[in-house]
Amino acid sequence: DTGVSQNPRHKITKRGQNVTFRCDPISEHNRLYWYRQTLGQGPEFLTYFQNEAQLEKSRLLSDRFSAERPKGSFSTLEIQRTEQGDSAMYLCASSPASGNLNIQYFGAGTRLSVL
Amino acid sequence: DAKTTQPPSMDCAEGRAANLPCNHSTISGNEYVYWYRQIHSQGPQYIIHGLKNNETNEMASLIITEDRKSSTLILPHATLRDTAVYYCIVRAYNFNKFYFGSGTKLNVKP
Repeated sequence: DTGVSQNPRHKITKRGQNVTFRCDPISEHNRLYWYRQTLGQGPEFLTYFQNEAQLEKSRLLSDRFSAERPKGSFSTLEIQRTEQGDSAMYLCASSPASGNLNIQYFGAGTRLSVL
Repeated sequence: DAKTTQPPSMDCAEGRAANLPCNHSTISGNEYVYWYRQIHSQGPQYIIHGLKNNETNEMASLIITEDRKSSTLILPHATLRDTAVYYCIVRAYNFNKFYFGSGTKLNVKP
C-alpha cells in the first residue's frame, strides 16, 4: 500500500524565486487536497481537486499560488515570487470518491524555507 | 473556522490510558467527529471518527456524549510512540475540507 507521496521533502529557496512541489495521491483516489501548516498551528486548507477539476480554493491561496492536477493523477503546487511568509509545511492529502466518509490520507509534506 | 476546543497539552504515563477531551458544543446533526494525530515532522494520521455512537478500532476508542457536545478519544495503553499532537475535528461527511485547530499535544512519559 503506497501512501500519498510528496516531493521534495525539503526545499530551501531565496526570496523571489519560484518553487514547485509535487504530490502523488493514493492510486484510485480521485480527490486531492493541499494544506499549509506553519509552526505550532494545525494545517490550513488551501485547495481541493476532484479528478482534474479544481473545485475549491481558500482565500489563503493568493495569486502567486497555482495548483494543477493534469489528468486527475498527480498534482503540483507552484509558488511564484516566494516571500518569507511562505515558509511552511505544505501537505497533500487524498481521499476516495466514496465510502469511508471522505477520510483524507496525508503525505509527509514538503517543508519550504524561504531565505 | 475550527468548531472544537481542546486543551493545549496533556501528559500521560506509558502503559496507562490516555483520555483526550474535545468540546464541540455547536455541532450540527449531520456533522461527524474525526480524530487525527500528527507525530513530529510527519503528516496527519487518521485515527477514528463517529457520529453519535461510541466507536472502537485497533488504534483507539471514541466516546461521544449523548448530547454530542463533547467527545473523548481514548488510547487504552499509551506508548512513547503515541506522543503527538491530536486534532479533534467536526465536519459534515460530504464537506471537503478539515479545520484542524491547534490540537492537544500529548506527552507520553516513561
